[in-house]
Amino acid sequence: AQSVTQLDSQVPVFEEAPVELRCNYSSSVSVYLFWYVQYPNQGLQLLLKYLSGSTLVKGINGFEAEFNKSQTSFHLRKPSVHISDTAEYFCAVTAGGGSQGNLIFGKGTKLSVKP
Amino acid sequence: DGGITQSPKYLFRKEGQNVTLSCEQNLNHDAMYWYRQDPGQGLRLIYYSQIVNDFQKGDIAEGYSVSREKKESFPLTVTSAQKNPTAFYLCASGHRSNQPQHFGDGTRLSIL
Repeated sequence: AQSVTQLDSQVPVFEEAPVELRCNYSSSVSVYLFWYVQYPNQGLQLLLKYLSGSTLVKGINGFEAEFNKSQTSFHLRKPSVHISDTAEYFCAVTAGGGSQGNLIFGKGTKLSVKP
Repeated sequence: DGGITQSPKYLFRKEGQNVTLSCEQNLNHDAMYWYRQDPGQGLRLIYYSQIVNDFQKGDIAEGYSVSREKKESFPLTVTSAQKNPTAFYLCASGHRSNQPQHFGDGTRLSIL
């Protein structure tokens, strides 16, 4: 079985500063990893995904994440945030390699960008 | 445009009442899911379906029921047995169970 831990429930940051949202997972099999963003009173939107290949994954809105198998991490980064990035971010994991399994979500990190 | 439509956006339930949340998708996805979201809890899986006329319980299925009579539709009924139904409910769909999911905009259910 897989599990996901998002290490920070809230991250405040000033506009134009860099940000890192941390995600660690546990799994006994290969995994697929995802980051989603949720704006208030809306559904989740896929930011980026890691299925295989390059460990550095680029997504929408200038976000990127790096898959680190040895540290079982998939941290999300952006070099310069905007007010519009204020939202809740969810990391999710599922079994990879053609295995069947549902997405397991972390509890979310609320990013608050201040002017 | 292809997507997932959830309705209504807001729903109020009276004591002892069953209510049904609608979820329709035109993405031709085989799999559909219902999640419950509470503040600080992330998303918890209620039910999922990988093909028509088949569905499985998720982690918190008690007090909920679903049907999957058509590929495009996966309605969720919150029964009177669900004692704490106040939450934000999200429907999602995907090609396979381990592929990215597409989400609707949610239904917020409250108790009158």
